[in-house]
Amino acid sequence: EVQLVESGGSLVQPGGSLKLSCVASGYTFSNYWMDWVRQTPGKSLEWIGEINTDGSKTNYAPSIKDRFTISRDNAKSTLYLQMSNVKSDDTAIYYCTVGPDYWGQGVMVTVSS
Amino acid sequence: DVVLTQTPVSLLISLGGQASISCRSSQSLVHSNGNTYLHWYLQKPGQSPQLLIYQVSNRFSGIPDRFSGSGSGTDFTLKISRVEPEDLGVYYCLQRTHNPRTFGGGTKLELK
Repeated sequence: EVQLVESGGSLVQPGGSLKLSCVASGYTFSNYWMDWVRQTPGKSLEWIGEINTDGSKTNYAPSIKDRFTISRDNAKSTLYLQMSNVKSDDTAIYYCTVGPDYWGQGVMVTVSS
Repeated sequence: DVVLTQTPVSLLISLGGQASISCRSSQSLVHSNGNTYLHWYLQKPGQSPQLLIYQVSNRFSGIPDRFSGSGSGTDFTLKISRVEPEDLGVYYCLQRTHNPRTFGGGTKLELK
């Protein structure tokens, strides 16, 4: 059974940084592209970006480009999202996904002073 | 960016009835490789989205045949026949043909 468990969510001040993790199990992590998606309090879904199987290629949504960085450690079956210079609009539930197929349960990030 | 417009925003259906949701794209979703990367999800209350249909018309593992997808180019439809209580929630379409990937605004399915 595919499992994705996100962690690292918290309350962070505007301008601050945060790193989310997603531990995958139940499949061969290194064989699949991975994505981050977020869902705002208003329930809209927004794709953040993706990373290829060996971590050498990433694509990002223009809205977060240069503030967020996606990386992965295949030896640990773990996906990361480094968030910097966060804004109130970044308040959302953050999901990691295996391409379009499987989603984690999500982790809450709140940006507020 | 590709804009996906879902209609209706909400849908009231009786148990056992049929629901139809439209997803229209601002540009063709046919990839240069010939595939069309338009997917459908259901988000049940308190849960993360789950994949129902991938690449327009393929049911994902474990999805009952009451769910069907169709369409091409810019117009796509999800149909749910014989609606059951566990089908309630918000349905989203997602395109993965173009970067950035984009979602539709969602359609909330409720019981009449």
